[in-house]
Amino acid sequence: GENVEQHPSTLSVQEGDSAVIKCTYSDSASNYFPWYKQELGKRPQLIIDIRSNVGEKKDQRIAVTLNKTAKHFSLHITETQPEDSAVYFCAATLSGAGSYQLTFGKGTKLSVIP
Amino acid sequence: ETGVTQTPRHLVMGMTNKKSLKCEQHLGHNAMYWYKQSAKKPLELMFVYSLEERVENNSVPSRFSPECPNSSHLFLHLHTLQPEDSALYLCASSQDAGNEKLFFGSGTQLSVL
Repeated sequence: GENVEQHPSTLSVQEGDSAVIKCTYSDSASNYFPWYKQELGKRPQLIIDIRSNVGEKKDQRIAVTLNKTAKHFSLHITETQPEDSAVYFCAATLSGAGSYQLTFGKGTKLSVIP
Repeated sequence: ETGVTQTPRHLVMGMTNKKSLKCEQHLGHNAMYWYKQSAKKPLELMFVYSLEERVENNSVPSRFSPECPNSSHLFLHLHTLQPEDSALYLCASSQDAGNEKLFFGSGTQLSVL
């Protein structure tokens, strides 16, 4: 089955700096890679996703990159703000093949220091 | 209320108790999920329902029993739990079973004494 490794487990950055979270996956057939943000005491929310036919996707201050050859994908947050402080989870799956197993990483706790 | 609603938010139970967790989604989705979130561990998929039919059961102990009476409601019945079952239990829904774009509830924080 799929295995997703996520690093680092904790990350502290100064407000305004960039943050990068990296994930690797094991199943080369995986084709869908979402990122979820979970603020303290709140529900996980999808913030961005990428499919295997795309190398990069941006949404304002957030971007995700995918390297299929190396089987890793990364979340980039620029101009970080205190409200970016949360736990971020990456995930991987083979979408559309009747599989329901979305495999998550262990999460990265991001702290943005004002 | 819109989105995915879970009740109760917090639950403390003894190992001999029987309790149920409730989830309701107001998004018109066809698939619903139960996930377990433990500290320092990845989110673990427990059950998947598509159009009220269970399509996935990830080797979950029988002390957890799901029920999906319709596409908007999902229950998790608990009995004779163990302390290691203490965790945040998250319900989620998606348009169709296939994992894309999950919408999570706020979860039930369960403590088993």
